[in-house]
Amino acid sequence: DTAVSQTPKYLVTQMGNDKSIKCEQNLGHDTMYWYKQDSKKFLKIMFSYNNKELIINETVPNRFSPKSPDKAHLNLHINSLELGDSAVYFCASSQRPWTAAGNTIYFGEGSWLTVV
Amino acid sequence: DAKTTQPNSMESNEEEPVHLPCNHSTISGTDYIHWYRQLPSQGPEYVIHGLTSNVNNRMASLAIAEDRKSSTLILHRATLRDAAVYYCILTSNFGNEKLTFGTGTRLTIIP
Repeated sequence: DTAVSQTPKYLVTQMGNDKSIKCEQNLGHDTMYWYKQDSKKFLKIMFSYNNKELIINETVPNRFSPKSPDKAHLNLHINSLELGDSAVYFCASSQRPWTAAGNTIYFGEGSWLTVV
Repeated sequence: DAKTTQPNSMESNEEEPVHLPCNHSTISGTDYIHWYRQLPSQGPEYVIHGLTSNVNNRMASLAIAEDRKSSTLILHRATLRDAAVYYCILTSNFGNEKLTFGTGTRLTIIP
């Protein structure tokens, strides 16, 4: 069973569209994250939720809106997609918030978003 | 924020040990040292972590310098499947530290 699963794995869409990426974890973790990896391979945190509460909100355009219906799910909705949004988006989870020492983060396999 | 420095790339022959270095000269006493790796087209995966003492698990060993300003991830017998980008990261219970992934070390295994 996949611990952190995200869908879709691949997504090609036109500029201006709205799209969502879904994420689910079956590890019983309290904390979930969204990371973005751009073409230069830098992996940057976007959002983090702990017990459905937003605890990290990096400098991300407000076109990006995370939603956590419960502890096991963290979805990412993107409005008015732009070319620069093309990237790989990783969902992740951990038992405690990332600030906890020794905390291990489990990542999904990524969602490859291409905006044309 | 405590930061880490790693070589951009390394090469190693298959079935030989690999030593991946990481410098973290500004590490604080409460910072843990974590290593993750990212195989091609996959998400990062946890490899190992430690605080002060050397650590071993089924994937690798972590050797931490006595002053904790550097550490080395040791793959005892590299295989082609170990080709990946390896990230050395510090985490702490204090402050507003973020789990930030730097550029890591791209490890190439030569058959």
